[in-house]
Amino acid sequence: DTEVTQTPKHLVMGMTNKKSLKCEQHMGHRAMYWYKQKAKKPPELMFVYSYEKLSINESVPSRFSPECPNSSLLNLHLHALQPEDSALYLCASSQEGRRPNYGYTFGSGTRLTVV
Amino acid sequence: AQTVTQSQPEMSVQEAETVTLSCTYDTSESDYYLFWYKQPPSRQMILVIRQEAYKQQNATENRFSVNFQKAAKSFSLKISDSQLGDAAMYFCAYRSQNNDMRFGAGTRLTVKP
Repeated sequence: DTEVTQTPKHLVMGMTNKKSLKCEQHMGHRAMYWYKQKAKKPPELMFVYSYEKLSINESVPSRFSPECPNSSLLNLHLHALQPEDSALYLCASSQEGRRPNYGYTFGSGTRLTVV
Repeated sequence: AQTVTQSQPEMSVQEAETVTLSCTYDTSESDYYLFWYKQPPSRQMILVIRQEAYKQQNATENRFSVNFQKAAKSFSLKISDSQLGDAAMYFCAYRSQNNDMRFGAGTRLTVKP
């Protein structure tokens, strides 16, 4: 298995809803990432998990709450989002190592629309 | 903080011809990693090629090669024998030792038949 699987592929939610994005990989990667990508823009790093511990939080608003229950799963819990949070949310994973020369393997993303 | 700059928002190439996409970056680190990713309309980010900064030799993957100039902090991608399937958004990316990857603004490549 050489894939990162993200569900759902599309999500429409109201500003008062609570929803979760899910990301799964079975490549034995011990680093996982959440990126946010607005239309015609590059992906922006949100969170990095290394060995199931949060190692980087790029000053993301608390309405986004990441969780890494085990080495294969990464969740992003959403609550009280704003319309400007509408974007493509990409999950990625990579091997950990002393020399991080490995690229990331990306999922195909969740297209989120906040209404 | 590291920054990645892609100065060409759009590029166009004739099928079977060669095109070069530019990328420069700014860093104070001596050891880092550079990548080119491709994002077609399907949204999947696909790794095209990688380069370790400590290696002098330019990376090559089939029709894709890079020109890595460490002193100039330049990392351009050359696509030879361009194919229609190469049409996509191309992102240059920098990965530091602390495990975060930053992307340039991207270059949209069009391939004309």
